Amino acid sequence: RKEVEQDPGPFNVPEGATVAFNCTYSNSASQSFFWYRQDCRKEPKLLMSVYSSGNEDGRFTAQLNRASQYISLLIRDSKLSDSATYLCVVNTNTGNQFYFGTGTSLTVIP
Amino acid sequence: DGGITQSPKYLFRKEGQNVTLSCEQNLNHDAMYWYRQDPGQGLRLIYYSQIVNDFQKGDIAEGYSVSREKKESFPLTVTSAQKNPTAFYLCASSIDPNRDRRLAKYIQYFGAGTRLSVL
Repeated sequence: RKEVEQDPGPFNVPEGATVAFNCTYSNSASQSFFWYRQDCRKEPKLLMSVYSSGNEDGRFTAQLNRASQYISLLIRDSKLSDSATYLCVVNTNTGNQFYFGTGTSLTVIP
Repeated sequence: DGGITQSPKYLFRKEGQNVTLSCEQNLNHDAMYWYRQDPGQGLRLIYYSQIVNDFQKGDIAEGYSVSREKKESFPLTVTSAQKNPTAFYLCASSIDPNRDRRLAKYIQYFGAGTRLSVL
């Protein structure tokens, strides 16, 4: 079983739509969770960390559900510039390994 | 500006040749990592280093070697033993999670990557 699993998509949504991605993780000892954004042929860049109580940054909201072992990312009022691949990343805090999902592809359509 | 610099941006390898990818950081980070990304796949860990003169194998270390002689530098050599080296290689760094357990310190910062192709 993979450490981190994501629906690869693609998600094609119109501008202004709300879209949500989920990511499941297998290690219940996982402590740190992140969403990264990766544009085509570029390096991943941190979008936001995910806190236990959930957190919001503008149009982006991240949630953590420890009981079901998943994290989610909600994007409201989608913009064309949100088109990218969104990577879920998990760390157990007991070592130096970060586990990456394969990414979810989002295309926002005019 | 602080950051991670990878070079070259594009690299071509001939059969039987070893090539070295450079990764330098001026963020004063303890930990450094090398990942490989293939189309449609997630990042897979090749090697990581928590401290100078020490490094650990990741999930796909075969055919690769690294060194960590300086805190700022973590070069990756793709040896001739790596039969399918064509990929996007990403270097990252972070504060050593074992030293500082505050959540924000676990963030990994990435270089711009090196695209390696076989001639």
